[in-house]
This record gives sequence, C-alpha cells and structure tokens, in this order.
Amino acid sequence: DIQMTQSPSSLSASVGDRVTITCQASQDISNYLNWYQQKPGKAPKLLIYDASNLETGVPSRFSGSGSGTDFTFTISSLQPEDIATYYCQQYDNLSITFGQGTRLEIK
Amino acid sequence: EVQLVQSGAEVKKPGESLKISCKGSGYSFTSYWIGWVRQMPGKGLEWMGIIYPGDSDTRYSPSFQGQVTISADKSISTAYLQWSSLKASDTAMYYCARRATVTTAVDYWGQGTLVTVSS
Repeated sequence: DIQMTQSPSSLSASVGDRVTITCQASQDISNYLNWYQQKPGKAPKLLIYDASNLETGVPSRFSGSGSGTDFTFTISSLQPEDIATYYCQQYDNLSITFGQGTRLEIK
Repeated sequence: EVQLVQSGAEVKKPGESLKISCKGSGYSFTSYWIGWVRQMPGKGLEWMGIIYPGDSDTRYSPSFQGQVTISADKSISTAYLQWSSLKASDTAMYYCARRATVTTAVDYWGQGTLVTVSS
C-alpha cells in the first residue's frame, strides 16, 4: 500500500494568514491526490481533486499543487470558517489511503 | 441531487453481528464505485474498501480484509457494510462515499453511521 505522510499534524494561524500543508507519498502517484476538509461532527468535503483542481463551489482561496510524490495545499488568506481538519488522499488502482490529517486552529 | 443516506446509529454488544446500509439516489447507482471509511473517536480517516454495484466487484484495504464484508443490492441502490462478530475496537463513525468517475476523488459522502460496541 502507498503511505501518505502529511504535515504538520496541527497548525495555529491568524485570520488572514497564508497556510500551507504538505503531503508526501511513499511512491509516485502522478497527480492522483485529493484534499478534503472535515469540520467537527460532519462528513469530509472534497476541496481539491487531482492535485490542483478546485471542486465546484469551493472558494478560490483554497489551492493545491504538486505531482509525483510531493504535494502542497494552501489557504491564501485564512478565514474563521476554515477551522477544520484537512486530509490528503491518494488513489492507486482502487486502493485509497488518507494522510493523518492536519488540525487547523485560529490563533 | 446526489445523496447517500446511511442507516441510523447502532449500539451493540461484543460478539454480535451488524449490517449497516448506504442508499444512493440522484444518480446511476450501478455506475459508480462506493467505498466505506472508518473514523475512530478523535482519529483520522481510514479507507476500508470499495464495491462496484454494477457487478459487485469488491476490493478491501489490507487492514480490513477478513474483518468486514462489503456488499450491494443494486435493485434497491443500497450498499452495505457488515460484521459477523463485533469487537469494542469497532466503535467508530462509518461513512460511505462515492468515487467520482472522471477524477480519482471521493465526491459525495453519506452522513455517517455511529457504531458503538460495549458490554
């Protein structure tokens, strides 16, 4: 199975800050990397698919980049409603793995 | 509107069996893979396995192979996750989720089913 290493595990930032989360795959996954937001008590929500594509309806302050083994998720200007846990997810021939998650808090 | 509606919360004793469900609507149920995700209390997301309701092709994550059974009844657009003998460590929230066709993402999620196993 492909392993995903996500960092940091937690992050505290101020409103308006630029926030970056990284995810590293244990082998080349091309651009088969997706990002999700999960708020407490809710199901995850897809934000970015195939490394850099913004899901319909998701604010443009969210973005993703990378390919191969190294990927980055960015919030350009943190908003109070962005408080959540964020997960990366890789896809390899019907085998799916999530990163460990990054808990984002407001400073 | 695409919807995945899961069955309600369950409280079971160790050793009991359980089958929870996920009913899809608003799309062609047989044309999309449906997966199951476990989230233990305060922990992250774990992929359990996936099924293609069109032909019941099923794949399991190695960690869950032999521990659970994933099935589907395409006549009623419903996928299932079942246990033959629950353990306390099966206590978790379980989500069903649809794998998109054009991308590799999971684009729709059920609301989750909380399973509590306690003596």
